[in-house]
Amino acid sequence: DTAVSQTPKYLVTQMGNDKSIKCEQNLGHDTMYWYKQDSKKFLKIMFSYNNKELIINETVPNRFSPKSPDKAHLNLHINSLELGDSAVYFCASSQVNHEQYFGPGTRLTVT
Amino acid sequence: AQTVTQSQPEMSVQEAETVTLSCTYDTSESDYYLFWYKQPPSRQMILVIRQEAYKQQNATENRFSVNFQKAAKSFSLKISDSQLGDAAMYFCAYRSPSGGGSNYKLTFGKGTLLTVNP
Repeated sequence: DTAVSQTPKYLVTQMGNDKSIKCEQNLGHDTMYWYKQDSKKFLKIMFSYNNKELIINETVPNRFSPKSPDKAHLNLHINSLELGDSAVYFCASSQVNHEQYFGPGTRLTVT
Repeated sequence: AQTVTQSQPEMSVQEAETVTLSCTYDTSESDYYLFWYKQPPSRQMILVIRQEAYKQQNATENRFSVNFQKAAKSFSLKISDSQLGDAAMYFCAYRSPSGGGSNYKLTFGKGTLLTVNP
């Protein structure tokens, strides 16, 4: 019974390619998030959706586009991948005023 | 903007001993939430403990407890009877209460890498 799942767990691709990471939660939460963890382990919010509505869009290049088809899913599409996009991307979900539950992360390596 | 500072990049503790990880934060808000997350080598982010700023009582979860000093804006994590499985990166995180767009996000510190020695 995985609460927050992400696919794939590992993604290796070349510069310039387009890739997607999928996230699903079965917790019935209203809010979902994407975080980026860089090589120094620093975690930073990228996006947040509440009831399929974008509510947080930090200073992320517009090559990154989140999509939430329904409350249980939040996907991240990345166009024209760059070396600097290499990181671990975490999906998370929560109810309002409650803690966030994280997925297992997707390690993206751009070569 | 809120900031979270973890001043100890690395800490070590002997198995069965107690260790305290430090966290300070900066905010102008009076109501907020604080969390400690653990990230073992598996990279899974695991919630350890949560504290609501309006609660004076320090949160505890089994061997994990916090020392929440609101006036000092300090939120330290104490791990008692340390076990080998406690070895991980520990992140302190801040969250505003709901009510606005940016209030849903977690602001993380840079983490403290805890080593547990047998």
